[in-house]
Amino acid sequence: GQNIDQPTEMTATEGAIVQINCTYQTSGFNGLFWYQQHAGEAPTFLSYNVLDGLEEKGRFSSFLSRSKGYSYLLLKELQMKDSASYLCAVRSIDQTGANNLFFGTGTRLTVIP
Amino acid sequence: DAGITQSPRHKVTETGTPVTLRCHQTENHRYMYWYRQDPGHGLRLIHYSYGVKDTDKGEVSDGYSVSRSKTEDFLLTLESATSSQTSVYFCALRQSLDSPLHFGNGTRLTVT
Repeated sequence: GQNIDQPTEMTATEGAIVQINCTYQTSGFNGLFWYQQHAGEAPTFLSYNVLDGLEEKGRFSSFLSRSKGYSYLLLKELQMKDSASYLCAVRSIDQTGANNLFFGTGTRLTVIP
Repeated sequence: DAGITQSPRHKVTETGTPVTLRCHQTENHRYMYWYRQDPGHGLRLIHYSYGVKDTDKGEVSDGYSVSRSKTEDFLLTLESATSSQTSVYFCALRQSLDSPLHFGNGTRLTVT
């Protein structure tokens, strides 16, 4: 089975940096994704890590440590529009070869002025 | 995403009635998925498809069936809706098994 943990809520100030953590325990790990979801909308893809290390994409960066079962999403220069839920998702391949994504419950980030 | 259309966007139905949700894509992607999203549970996989007439169960498949008779359409059916199936349902697709999922805009289903 999959066990994916992330904080339920976080609050940060406009212009600041925030780090959202995700820990996971899974068999057949094959990559980790971060999605952003604004209230009432569909999740949208932010980043993907399959190897250890940091992936940077503009104001957003994502880090992965496979040995520790740990990832984080780093958001810099926070803007009000960054208020959203951030979903951590693990891609796992099971013994039948099925390759699917399993999601954490999401972290609701509120950016305050 | 302009290439994924879910219908209906909202539906209210009564317990015991059958319901079919439709996901239509114009991307010609092979892989399609149905998830449900509930507070405290996040997104959970119901069923998925690896191609026409090729479907399999996800982690919460009980009470649901799917069909994929052509590449562009993936249907999710609740044979006899129950209140526990009140949820937001998202269709998703990906181009390859290495690609990220891209989601439709969701269907909000209420079972009274």
